[in-house]
Amino acid sequence: NAGVTQTPKFQVLKTGQSMTLQCAQDMNHNSMYWYRQDPGMGLRLIYYSASEGTTDKGEVPNGYNVSRLNKREFSLRLESAAPSQTSVYFCASSVARGYNSPLHFGNGTRLTVT
Amino acid sequence: DAKTTQPNSMESNEEEPVHLPCNHSTISGTDYIHWYRQLPSQGPEYVIHGLTSNVNNRMASLAIAEDRKSSTLILHRATLRDAAVYYCILRDLIQGAQKLVFGQGTRLTINP
Repeated sequence: NAGVTQTPKFQVLKTGQSMTLQCAQDMNHNSMYWYRQDPGMGLRLIYYSASEGTTDKGEVPNGYNVSRLNKREFSLRLESAAPSQTSVYFCASSVARGYNSPLHFGNGTRLTVT
Repeated sequence: DAKTTQPNSMESNEEEPVHLPCNHSTISGTDYIHWYRQLPSQGPEYVIHGLTSNVNNRMASLAIAEDRKSSTLILHRATLRDAAVYYCILRDLIQGAQKLVFGQGTRLTINP
């Protein structure tokens, strides 16, 4: 049982390049999330998807787009990378029904933009 | 969104109990209190959650104040593997999804 799988684990981009971060979960969860983590900032929500076919902005959505491809997969796209997007990105999932289902996180993608 | 306040860091000794405090004075009546932890170079990991009553699981215990304005995560016997950043979070339910806002957390150091 893999849980939440993120690819790639590491990536280096030049300013202006684009890329897509992939996330897949095998727990049949309805909700999925993208967070970024910067030193001293805790985790900040970028986008989330309450269920297949829906997406909503989180705290820091500027410069990102997302796609909920199906129930399993939720991708995060950087159209024109900027140095300010250097961060560690975490994908998470949870069962939507019920107020108290825990989030399950992947192990992150470490992105550097030069 | 209701916010939480935690100490930036705490230190304890191996095999001793650890009490990690969290203040959430603006908590609403339907907010659940969640705790996560993050080990170095890993994603956050769920620890425990509760609403009003104290909760126990294999990892920890959660003690919730009667007025729910504060809570305490209790690690009964700390090990070196418990060294991590611990996040206290209030569940904010929007449109059927859980949008959990993570703050700075408490960095726990365990001394051998």
